[in-house]
Amino acid sequence: AQKVTQAQTEISVVEKEDVTLDCVYETRDTTYYLFWYKQPPSGELVFLIRRNSFDEQNEISGRYSWNFQKSTSSFNFTITASQVVDSAVYFCASNAGGTSYGKLTFGQGTILTVHP
Amino acid sequence: DGGITQSPKYLFRKEGQNVTLSCEQNLNHDAMYWYRQDPGQGLRLIYYSQIVNDFQKGDIAEGYSVSREKKESFPLTVTSAQKNPTAFYLCASSMGRQDGYTFGSGTRLTVV
Repeated sequence: AQKVTQAQTEISVVEKEDVTLDCVYETRDTTYYLFWYKQPPSGELVFLIRRNSFDEQNEISGRYSWNFQKSTSSFNFTITASQVVDSAVYFCASNAGGTSYGKLTFGQGTILTVHP
Repeated sequence: DGGITQSPKYLFRKEGQNVTLSCEQNLNHDAMYWYRQDPGQGLRLIYYSQIVNDFQKGDIAEGYSVSREKKESFPLTVTSAQKNPTAFYLCASSMGRQDGYTFGSGTRLTVV
C-alpha cells in the first residue's frame, strides 16, 4: 500500500523564522507525482506544487521552496521568513500506485502556526 | 470560471435523518472524490468515481452512499447508519494522474 508520512503534527514559529515541513512517501512505482496543499482556516484545500518522479530539481516560488530527494523518498517544504498568513494545515500527497485518474494518498497534515 | 461547488456550506440535521451533500464541477474532470475530515485530523476517502455510472468505496464508506449519473455531479448521502456523521466534508475532482485534485470549499455537517 502507498503511504505518505508527515512526522510533524504541529509546528509553532514566530514570524520571520524559516520553517521546514517534512514529507516522506513510500512507493515501488517508478512514475508518480507528489503534491503539497495548503488548508487555511476557511477549509478549502489550495494546490501549492506538483512534482513528478523524474524531476528532482528543487523549486522556489517566492518564500516557498521544495526539496525533492528520491534517494530518501522525501519531498520537504520550506517557508522562508514565515508570516502570520502562512498559518494553515499543510498536506503532502502522492498518487503513486494510483489509477490512471490519480487517486491521491494524503499525509496526516502538519498544523503550522505563525505567531506575530 | 471553472471550479467545484459544494453546497450548502453549513448543514444541520437531526440524528436519524439522511442528508445529501451536493458537489458539482464544470471542469470537465472525469474523476470525483469525497473526503471526510475530523477536527485536527487528515483526510479520509469515503467514495470515488472515475467515470459516470461507476464508483468505488474508499476507506470509510460505511454509512454513506453516492451516485454518479452525470459527469458534473457527485452527490454524497450521509445515512442514518453513519454513527458519527458530524464532520467537514470535502469534494474534489481530477482530470488525470499528473493533475492532482481541485477541491471544493467543503460542507460542515453537524448532527444534533
